[in-house]
Amino acid sequence: EAGVAQSPRYKIIEKRQSVAFWCNPISGHATLYWYQQILGQGPKLLIQFQNNGVVDDSQLPKDRFSAERLKGVDSTLKIQPAKLEDSAVYLCASHSSLTYNEQFFGPGTRLTVL
Amino acid sequence: GNSVTQMEGPVTLSEEAFLTINCTYTATGYPSLFWYVQYPGEGLQLLLKATKADDKGSNKGFEATYRKETTSFHLEKGSVQVSDSAVYFCALSDGGGGADGLTFGKGTHLIIQP
Repeated sequence: EAGVAQSPRYKIIEKRQSVAFWCNPISGHATLYWYQQILGQGPKLLIQFQNNGVVDDSQLPKDRFSAERLKGVDSTLKIQPAKLEDSAVYLCASHSSLTYNEQFFGPGTRLTVL
Repeated sequence: GNSVTQMEGPVTLSEEAFLTINCTYTATGYPSLFWYVQYPGEGLQLLLKATKADDKGSNKGFEATYRKETTSFHLEKGSVQVSDSAVYFCALSDGGGGADGLTFGKGTHLIIQP
């Protein structure tokens, strides 16, 4: 079965610009997550969706970050405007109740803000 | 809140050496515990997991035992190989069904020399 797909793989922008990342989870996976991984640190959960509803967005900087999963399948994460400290790898993961306790991660999008 | 602390890297070993990577956690409930691995140029992959106290997770020669009394989940391997060189992340999830977002440690970079 196909894994979690993310695009683009790399993105370089100037500060104050906007950027969007796309994620397509494994087919049939109801739960989707966005994580931020800053260099030298572990991934940090930004937002979790169950189908098209938000379960947890307590660590999402809502003044500049937004995310949606309108049809309960693929998802978009947006940053507007970007800051230097947003430079990181943005990871998407998905989970199904049939794969107890395992989240499957995509390859990530590496964002560099100059 | 939840947190995971793991030993700082890089850890450099010779091939066939014994490996231990320490991991301790703080959680409010009864979490599930995980080790994820990130090989160079690849995405995060689940290495092993344990869902309750005294459970032992194992995979590819790696083992970790869920120790509730010491709140630890140390990763061990009896004889490491060059191909084990990677970054290893300890993580926890509060949710019993495994759907909750993961809390990760900072990661330990393991380097195995021939």
